[in-house]
This record gives sequence, C-alpha cells and structure tokens, in this order.
Amino acid sequence: GQNIDQPTEMTATEGAIVQINCTYQTSGFNGLFWYQQHAGEAPTFLSYNVLDGLEEKGRFSSFLSRSKGYSYLLLKELQMKDSASYLCAVRASPGGYNKLIFGAGTRLAVHP
Amino acid sequence: GAVVSQHPSRVICKSGTSVKIECRSLDFQATTMFWYRQFPKQSLMLMATSNEGSKATYEQGVEKDKFLINHASLTLSTLTVTSAHPEDSSFYICSVLTDSSYEQYFGPGTRLTVT
Repeated sequence: GQNIDQPTEMTATEGAIVQINCTYQTSGFNGLFWYQQHAGEAPTFLSYNVLDGLEEKGRFSSFLSRSKGYSYLLLKELQMKDSASYLCAVRASPGGYNKLIFGAGTRLAVHP
Repeated sequence: GAVVSQHPSRVICKSGTSVKIECRSLDFQATTMFWYRQFPKQSLMLMATSNEGSKATYEQGVEKDKFLINHASLTLSTLTVTSAHPEDSSFYICSVLTDSSYEQYFGPGTRLTVT
C-alpha cells in the first residue's frame, strides 16, 4: 500500500532553521514533491526530487534518499510568512499510471 | 499569472441539489487533470484522475455516480457533485499535469458548503 508520514505540527522561531521530515512507502516511485499551503488556499510548488541528494532553491532545500524512503524540507532564515502547512507528496504508479499521493501535512508555526 | 482556474471559488447549495465545478487549464493543453478533496486540517485526498476523451479513473471509496467527471476538451474538466449532502462540504481542488513537465499545477480551489 501507499504510506506517507510527516509530523503533524512544528514550531520554530523567526530567523531560525527548521527541518521537516517525510518518510514514505510506495510502489512505482517516480519523484517526491514538497508543497506549501496556506489556510484556505491551494498548494504551491516548492521543490521536486527524483534522484538522491540535495536540491537547493533560495531559503528552501529538499533532500531525498530513495533507498531509505526518506526526504526532508529545510527552511532557512525563517520568516513569519512561512507559517503554513507543508505537504510531502510522492508521485507513484501503483495502478499503472502516475498519480500524486499526499501526506497529511505538517503545520508550521513561526513565532517572533 | 495563474495557469489553472476554477469556477466557482465558493458555492453554497441546499442538500439534494447538484453542483458543477469547472477546472480550466489556461496556458497549455492538459490531457490529464486530477480532482482532490480536502477537509479542514487534513491533507489533499485524490478523488479521481480525469483523462481527456475517456472515462475518469476513480480512487477507491469514491462514488463515480455521485461525483461525475467530464473532461471533454484539453483545457476543461468539470466535477459535478450530485445530490449533495452536508458531508460533501469540503474544499475541492483540481490540478493539471502537462506532458512536458513533472510539475502539477493546482487551481485555486472551490469551497463547497451544503446546507
């Protein structure tokens, strides 16, 4: 079956660094995505990893280890506007076609 | 600018009525669109995959006769919630997958409230 786990909630201080972990078990893995979602809005794309290693994009970095079924999203120099839910999603093909399967999301609260 | 639009953004309907939600791909042709549902403080749950010119593929537990999907053109997919009930109240989001990109583009979502 498909299973994606990430922490439910995290808190961090403005200016700090936070790491959000995601572990997954899927069949037909074809890439891992991180999305940011503010309440009442649609998700916005943050990063995509399909090969092992670290992808850096400004204040955000994402890491993938396919052998461990593990990824993390690293947010640096946290700002208040980074308070949001962060969704880990795996593209997989369990039924023979690609689809994006989402984890439950991690609600991040950034405080002064 | 937005690459995917949804209409309406919000809708309130009475129990037993049907509601149609449109999802449009604005910048490119989309052979595949996805429909998700999101309840408060929960993640996105894939309801179905909409394929242009063919029948949609529904996820386990999603009633195809209740959630009708039509993908008649490469830029438009519609989701009709038939005989809506209060438990259908949710945030419905579509996304578009391009043939040339790995990324899915999400629409802004439709907030459905059934009274």
